[in-house]
Amino acid sequence: AQTVTQSQPEMSVQEAETVTLSCTYDTSESDYYLFWYKQPPSRQMILVIRQEAYKQQNATENRFSVNFQKAAKSFSLKISDSQLGDAAMYFCAYLRGGTYKYIFGTGTRLKVLA
Amino acid sequence: DTAVSQTPKYLVTQMGNDKSIKCEQNLGHDTMYWYKQDSKKFLKIMFSYNNKELIINETVPNRFSPKSPDKAHLNLHINSLELGDSAVYFCASSQDGSGRYIGTDTQYFGPGTRLTVL
Repeated sequence: AQTVTQSQPEMSVQEAETVTLSCTYDTSESDYYLFWYKQPPSRQMILVIRQEAYKQQNATENRFSVNFQKAAKSFSLKISDSQLGDAAMYFCAYLRGGTYKYIFGTGTRLKVLA
Repeated sequence: DTAVSQTPKYLVTQMGNDKSIKCEQNLGHDTMYWYKQDSKKFLKIMFSYNNKELIINETVPNRFSPKSPDKAHLNLHINSLELGDSAVYFCASSQDGSGRYIGTDTQYFGPGTRLTVL
């Protein structure tokens, strides 16, 4: 069975600094998708970034980028120039190709210090 | 122009009652989902419907019954509510076929419904 692990329950970063959130997953599949979602205190789940496993190039979205290491089954999220609005729970999610079922990690709470 | 909406946003009720949560998406998506987020923030899928057909039914008590009257709506009815049902329930939707495989596309979430059972 596939699993997703986020080993950092909580992280802190100074405003304008860079922070990296870790995510590892376990799968025997070769085709899958990985996502990072952000959940601010409003509790809305917001897509941050998405990565297709068959693409070698790391996905980027403005200040957000991933380090996708397929062999190591690692999918970390880097947030550059952190802003107060980045404070939230961040969830890593895995989706096997051809299926509909997301598997979420347990989340990392990110605090941004002014 | 809300993409995925849920009503109500908050629901407080007594044990033993029956309640429903409604979900609507105006994105034209084919697939809709219900997730449960517990007090520790853990998110787990409960159900999924594709074009009104049930495609995912996780190990959920049969007190929970989803209903999809059409592609844009997926409602969740809960009978005989228990204390352990207290959680945030999220509806989500996704579009088929735009990814490499059918079904493998980004899910868009509603704002969640916080259910409190007293």
